[in-house]
Amino acid sequence: IVMTQSPATLSVSPGERATLSCRASRTVSHRVAWYQQKPGQAPRLLVFGASARATGTPARFSGSGFGTDFTLTISGLQPEDSAFYYCLQYNNWPTWTFGQGSRVEVK
Amino acid sequence: EVQLVESGGGLVQPGGSLRLSCVASGFTFTAYAMSWVRQAPGKGPEWVSGSSVSGDRTYYADSVKGRFSISRDNSKNTLYLQMNSLRAEDTAVYYCAKYAESSTWDYFDFWGQGTLVTVSS
Repeated sequence: IVMTQSPATLSVSPGERATLSCRASRTVSHRVAWYQQKPGQAPRLLVFGASARATGTPARFSGSGFGTDFTLTISGLQPEDSAFYYCLQYNNWPTWTFGQGSRVEVK
Repeated sequence: EVQLVESGGGLVQPGGSLRLSCVASGFTFTAYAMSWVRQAPGKGPEWVSGSSVSGDRTYYADSVKGRFSISRDNSKNTLYLQMNSLRAEDTAVYYCAKYAESSTWDYFDFWGQGTLVTVSS
């Protein structure tokens, strides 16, 4: 399964909304997770099961989707949200596939 | 607090070998499947290999099958990745990753800080 993310880069102003897309090459049900990664750090889990926020994930992060199309929405962007975001499919056991990432710049 | 601490990375020539280790703490290591995930410079993460709780079931990405071997020592709370016949394209930061639910293969909820492997002559 190939996971394709768009856009590659998104530049937005503080307080605005960012919408990130992840498309699977075939259905993955609801088994998609989203991660945030800042330079020099490991990825951090934000969302699992397509829409469930992980412990500690701020409410401004919301996930949606089912099947092949998924979205991560970040509302009221903060400067600290500048990062790379990756989707992961975990439906096609025993292989796990990440998207190539979307970079969000808040400035 | 969950902690995963990787070690063993470094510079190695093409065709060489390295053994990575990941020491886990802060959770019941013996209840969780574990994986290695790598990330090449400027690229997205790539799942490499996974081990069941007991280590009797192991899985590999096609890109490393036959060259890499995953194992674990539950008495030491340690996960290993033996990497042989290394290639330039294996250059990456290698992360140890924990699955979110015990005894299941779902998504990764915690990652270590990674260890850098550079394959170059």
